[in-house]
Amino acid sequence: EIVLTQSPGTLSLSPGERATLSCRASQSVTSNYLAWYQQKPGQSPRLLIYGASSRATGISDRFSGSGSGTDFTLTISRLEPEDFAMYHCQQYGSSPQTFGQGTKVEIK
Amino acid sequence: EVRLVQSGAEAKKPGESLKISCKASGYSFGDSWIGWVRQMPGKGLEWMGIIYPGDSDTRYSPSFRGQVTISADKSTGTTYLQWRTLKPSDTAMYFCARERIFDYWGQGTLVTVSS
Repeated sequence: EIVLTQSPGTLSLSPGERATLSCRASQSVTSNYLAWYQQKPGQSPRLLIYGASSRATGISDRFSGSGSGTDFTLTISRLEPEDFAMYHCQQYGSSPQTFGQGTKVEIK
Repeated sequence: EVRLVQSGAEAKKPGESLKISCKASGYSFGDSWIGWVRQMPGKGLEWMGIIYPGDSDTRYSPSFRGQVTISADKSTGTTYLQWRTLKPSDTAMYFCARERIFDYWGQGTLVTVSS
C-alpha cells in the first residue's frame, strides 16, 4: 500500500500570497496518477487536479499541480478568500488507492 | 448532469446492521467505477473500496475488507455500502464518488453508532 505524506499539516497565509503544498509517496505513483481535492467545512471534497498536473473542469488557473514519481506539489498562485480550506492528495494508480492526511490552509 | 445522491443520516446502536445507498444519474451507470470514502470526525479521507457496476468487480482497502460490503444494482443505478455489525468506531461521514479520480461526489451520509 502506498502511504502519502502531506506537508505542512497547516499553512497560515494571507490572501494574495502563494501557497505551496507537498505530497510525498512512499513509493513511485504509477503513471503519476495523483489527484488533489479541496474540502471546505461541511462540504464534500471537490476534484482540483488529476494526473498530477491536469486541472479538472471549471477549476481556476490559480491552481496548478506538478511533480512525478514520489514528490508532488499543489500550488495556489494567489490565495483568494474562498481558497482557505483543507486539501487532500490521493494516488489512484495502484490498489488500494490511498489519501494523504490533508493540509489545512488557514488565514493568517 | 452527473449526480450522486446518498441516503440520509443514520443513528444506530452497536451490533446493529446498516446499508446506505448512493443513487447515480446523468451518465451510464455501468461504465464508471463508484468508490466509498470514510471521513471520521475531524480527520482526513480514507479510501474504503470501489466497484465497477458493469461487472461488479469490487476492490477493497485491506483496512476495510471483511468489515464492509460494497454492492451495486444496475437496474436502479444504485451503489450500496453495508455493515453486518456496527461498532462505535464506525461513526463517520461516508461519501460515494465516481470513477477512480472521484470527479463527482455524493453529499455524504453521516452514520452515528452509539449505545
